[in-house]
Amino acid sequence: GAGVSQSPSNKVTEKGKDVELRCDPISGHTALYWYRQRLGQGLEFLIYFQGNSAPDKSGLPSDRFSAERTGESVSTLTIQRTQQEDSAVYLCASSLVGQDYNSPLHFGNGTRLTVT
Amino acid sequence: GIQVEQSPPDLILQEGANSTLRCNFSDSVNNLQWFHQNPWGQLINLFYIPSGTKQNGRLSATTVATERYSLLYISSSQTTDSGVYFCAVEREYGGSQGNLIFGKGTKLSVKP
Repeated sequence: GAGVSQSPSNKVTEKGKDVELRCDPISGHTALYWYRQRLGQGLEFLIYFQGNSAPDKSGLPSDRFSAERTGESVSTLTIQRTQQEDSAVYLCASSLVGQDYNSPLHFGNGTRLTVT
Repeated sequence: GIQVEQSPPDLILQEGANSTLRCNFSDSVNNLQWFHQNPWGQLINLFYIPSGTKQNGRLSATTVATERYSLLYISSSQTTDSGVYFCAVEREYGGSQGNLIFGKGTKLSVKP
């Protein structure tokens, strides 16, 4: 079946503009994660959605960042008034999470964002 | 929050050599996963291993949850093993369930 799909794969934007990044998780996966990876760095947690529970937004770096998820499907990450330090690869992952179990995380190929 | 430390940060191997990568974590976990990020940036899940031992071909992993560490073994390394290996954990208690925290990774280079 299809894996996690992210779009666009690359995005170049001018400082101050808003951008919207999209993630299509694996069908049936209840959990969806967004991470940010700066060049040569590790993965920085941004936000986590699980089923109908309130999302864990504890990793969002500022109020310019927001994310939504429609049910257990598509998610969009929005960055308003982009800054140069927002330049990074934004990675989405999904998994199947139940009360007593977790399944492995599956990552998309990411969106490479460049703010000029 | 939970701390995840990986060692070594960098590792250079000759093709055919074996290696052990380590992940230490500071709190009880109920979810631990190992990932490989290839030189093109793709992240592949290697193991879901909150406890015990698993093997997949030349790779195996062991997590000793009571001592808060996990080990990833690579045997007979190949150049295609090059990349960055990440360990990620989820706290068992205290909130932020579901929040998988990644270590900084071990960068592996396998020379032909």
